[in-house]
Amino acid sequence: RKEVEQDPGPFNVPEGATVAFNCTYSNSASQSFFWYRQDCRKEPKLLMSVYSSGNEDGRFTAQLNRASQYISLLIRDSKLSDSATYLCVVHNPYNFNKFYFGSGTKLNVKP
Amino acid sequence: GAVVSQHPSWVICKSGTSVKIECRSLDFQATTMFWYRQFPKQSLMLMATSNEGSKATYEQGVEKDKFLINHASLTLSTLTVTSAHPEDSSFYICSASLSTGGRTEAFFGQGTRLTVV
Repeated sequence: RKEVEQDPGPFNVPEGATVAFNCTYSNSASQSFFWYRQDCRKEPKLLMSVYSSGNEDGRFTAQLNRASQYISLLIRDSKLSDSATYLCVVHNPYNFNKFYFGSGTKLNVKP
Repeated sequence: GAVVSQHPSWVICKSGTSVKIECRSLDFQATTMFWYRQFPKQSLMLMATSNEGSKATYEQGVEKDKFLINHASLTLSTLTVTSAHPEDSSFYICSASLSTGGRTEAFFGQGTRLTVV
C-alpha cells in the first residue's frame, strides 16, 4: 500500500468554483502534514501546513483527521492562477525524517 | 523560509558520461537531504536519503553504484549520475528539511532537468 494516496485528477473547474482534494496516509506515526503546489517543470512549493485543528489561509482551507488518517484541501473562488498540481505530503520523523508524497492532483481552472 | 539551491538547472550530456548535481542549503545546516526523481506527469519518487558524514540510504530499486551521493558538509550534498543513459533523463530535485518550533518542513531546490542524448 502506498504511504500517501490522493484523488486521481485532473479536476477541470470554471473560475470561481470551489474544489476539494482528498488524501489518505497509511502510517499512523506520521507527524506533520502539508500541501505543496507544483507548477509544470518547477519544483514543489509549500502551499500550507495542515494542523490538527484545521487551518485556513485566504481561499485555502486544510483539514486533518488523524483518526481516519485523512487530509483535505479546499479551494474557494478558484482563480486561473490556481491551475497546478497539488501534492499531499506526509512527514514521518521516525523513518529517517522522510517526506512521503502523494501522486498529485492536477487542477485546471478554466475561464 | 529557508533556501535550497540546486545546480545546474538543466544539463544535456552524452550517453555514457557522468553528471554531477549539487544541492546546497544556503542559510541553514542540513544533516539530511533527500534526492527525488520525477518523470513527466508523474509524482516525485524518493531515490535516496543523504546523510552528512555517512553513507546515503537508497530506496528499493535505486542503484547506489549508478547514483552516487556524497554529503561531505552540512550545507552540500551531491548526486552523480554515472554512465548516464537516455532512460536516466528526468527531473532531479533535492530537498532539505528544517525543524523549527516542533515542526519539520521540506525545502526544495529548483530542480535539474537532465537530458541524456
